Amino acid sequence: AQSVTQLDSHVSVSEGTPVLLRCNYSSSYSPSLFWYVQHPNKGLQLLLKYTSAATLVKGINGFEAEFKKSETSFHLTKPSAHMSDAAEYFCVVSDPSIHGSGNTGKLIFGQGTTLQVKP
Amino acid sequence: DAGVTQSPTHLIKTRGQQVTLRCSPKSGHDTVSWYQQALGQGPQFIFQYYEEEERQRGNFPDRFSGHQFPNYSSELNVNALLLGDSALYLCASSLIRGRVTDTQYFGPGTRLTVL
Repeated sequence: AQSVTQLDSHVSVSEGTPVLLRCNYSSSYSPSLFWYVQHPNKGLQLLLKYTSAATLVKGINGFEAEFKKSETSFHLTKPSAHMSDAAEYFCVVSDPSIHGSGNTGKLIFGQGTTLQVKP
Repeated sequence: DAGVTQSPTHLIKTRGQQVTLRCSPKSGHDTVSWYQQALGQGPQFIFQYYEEEERQRGNFPDRFSGHQFPNYSSELNVNALLLGDSALYLCASSLIRGRVTDTQYFGPGTRLTVL
């Protein structure tokens, strides 16, 4: 079965310092992986996605993530945090088709990491 | 271009009642998925609709049912509400290419409170 584990429930950084949100995944197949962000009282917004192309994926707002198969990790990073980055972040894996590839659309979410950015 | 819309924004019901939530997908999308997000948790997949049929389902009881209309909009129905059904219900729309579902775009959600 597919699953994701977000290693930190809460991360606190100062504005202008780097951000690292950690995620490990478990998948029997070549996974599709995503990071979504959720601001208070708002829906989920896609930051970036990995679908077996380049292992370093660039997303919106300066975020990027690196797929490391040997470590089963998909950590999210940003060089310099901004106050507006404060939100809940979810690492997500897709449940592949019964044929062992592709994305059937069932997304499996981690428990989330709350990012706090201090001035 | 309107994104995914959901109604109502908030809803308060009592135990045993029934509720219907609505979702309109992003323009050009043909697939709607529903998720339940309990407080402090990540969203959990309820089911997905494509071509007016339930394509796949998560681990939710039969009290949760849905429907997709010819214009691709969708409804989520929950019968015999329990206190534990209190959550944010999220709708996501996407486009299916062959067997593959493309990126899912989420609506703002409906906050359901069961008293």
